[in-house]
Amino acid sequence: KQEVTQIPAALSVPEGENLVLNCSFTDSAIYNLQWFRQDPGKGLTSLLLIQSSQREQTSGRLNASLDKSSGRSTLYIAASQPGDSATYLCAVDFDGGTSYGKLTFGQGTILTVHP
Amino acid sequence: DTEVTQTPKHLVMGMTNKKSLKCEQHMGHRAMYWYKQKAKKPPELMFVYSYEKLSINESVPSRFSPECPNSSLLNLHLHALQPEDSALYLCASRLGQGGGEQFFGPGTRLTVL
Repeated sequence: KQEVTQIPAALSVPEGENLVLNCSFTDSAIYNLQWFRQDPGKGLTSLLLIQSSQREQTSGRLNASLDKSSGRSTLYIAASQPGDSATYLCAVDFDGGTSYGKLTFGQGTILTVHP
Repeated sequence: DTEVTQTPKHLVMGMTNKKSLKCEQHMGHRAMYWYKQKAKKPPELMFVYSYEKLSINESVPSRFSPECPNSSLLNLHLHALQPEDSALYLCASRLGQGGGEQFFGPGTRLTVL
């Protein structure tokens, strides 16, 4: 069964810290991996998409890496701010041969950045 | 413009009602999705439409009926729902087959009484 796991489940840090969120997946045959953030009661905001042929992607203070051989991805957030507080979700599009974009989500990491 | 819109934002319905959720995008995307999200859980895929054809149905009960009238619009028709169907319903879209970023709408908060 194809599964996605996120560690830690929750993280609380002081403002200004650099932090790493972890995502692991059970099958190395993937199309891509996408990181999202979700604020309470809201929809998902796409942060970064990493194609299976890529090793990392960067957007502002965010950097996501992908290691297919070990089944891992990390999201690095530099100089965290209270506005970064949200749930972060990792989602994998496993290569099932159809490429319809069926995403399998991890359970998420709840991030709290306190002033 | 990377926007997916959903209406209504909130919906309260009884178990005998018929209602519909609407999703719209004008990004030229040809794949559209319905997800269901319960509190403190990740989204779960319900349906996938690819080029206006239903491509994936994740064994969703027939009281949920999707419809894709055109490439920009996706509906979810609801009938005889149960209280356990109360959830946040999310719509998403992406360019088409072969990978790519999925963009999500803000969701419809559904409460079934």
